[in-house]
Amino acid sequence: NAGVTQTPKFQVLKTGQSMTLQCAQDMNHNSMYWYRQDPGMGLRLIYYSASEGTTDKGEVPNGYNVSRLNKREFSLRLESAAPSQTSVYFCASSEARQGAYPPNFGPGTRLLVL
Amino acid sequence: RKEVEQDPGPFNVPEGATVAFNCTYSNSASQSFFWYRQDCRKEPKLLMSVYSSGNEDGRFTAQLNRASQYISLLIRDSKLSDSATYLCVGTNTGTASKLTFGTGTRLQVTL
Repeated sequence: NAGVTQTPKFQVLKTGQSMTLQCAQDMNHNSMYWYRQDPGMGLRLIYYSASEGTTDKGEVPNGYNVSRLNKREFSLRLESAAPSQTSVYFCASSEARQGAYPPNFGPGTRLLVL
Repeated sequence: RKEVEQDPGPFNVPEGATVAFNCTYSNSASQSFFWYRQDCRKEPKLLMSVYSSGNEDGRFTAQLNRASQYISLLIRDSKLSDSATYLCVGTNTGTASKLTFGTGTRLQVTL
């Protein structure tokens, strides 16, 4: 099992460009998450999907959109990238939304917005 | 006040030493806790869950003190390979089911 996979691994964008970060999991998990990690800030939740067909805003959703394409895939879209979105993005999945199920993380996407 | 707070470190310890980290949480509704390990430029990986009764996994022991609202991680007989950042995570199991991550404590084990 690959677990959680993310593409791309690295990306450089210019301000105003758009891009989609892809995430897939093969663990048959119901819940999926997008986090960003910045120095000194810890991991912050951008959006999550408790189950296929549902998505909800997390702590820092502005400037992002998500799509839960099916049970396996959860994508994150930046419509108009800004330098403040320079970060490391982690996708994660867990068996269920309840907190008793700690998430498994993908390897991350490092994004630089110039 | 941050919901989950950790001393950022770094904790520099010699190989073989015992080291302990604490993590305090402010939300008394927090019900589940975890420790994750994160290597440089890698994703966080679950190290262990934390139970009220305390739990042990090899050289690692996690404790939860609800009265004082902190959790701890003890590492015995430190190895060079234990060098990493350790993230404390708290969560409640309400409908929002929010996980809150600490900013991490960095451990450097030296020869």
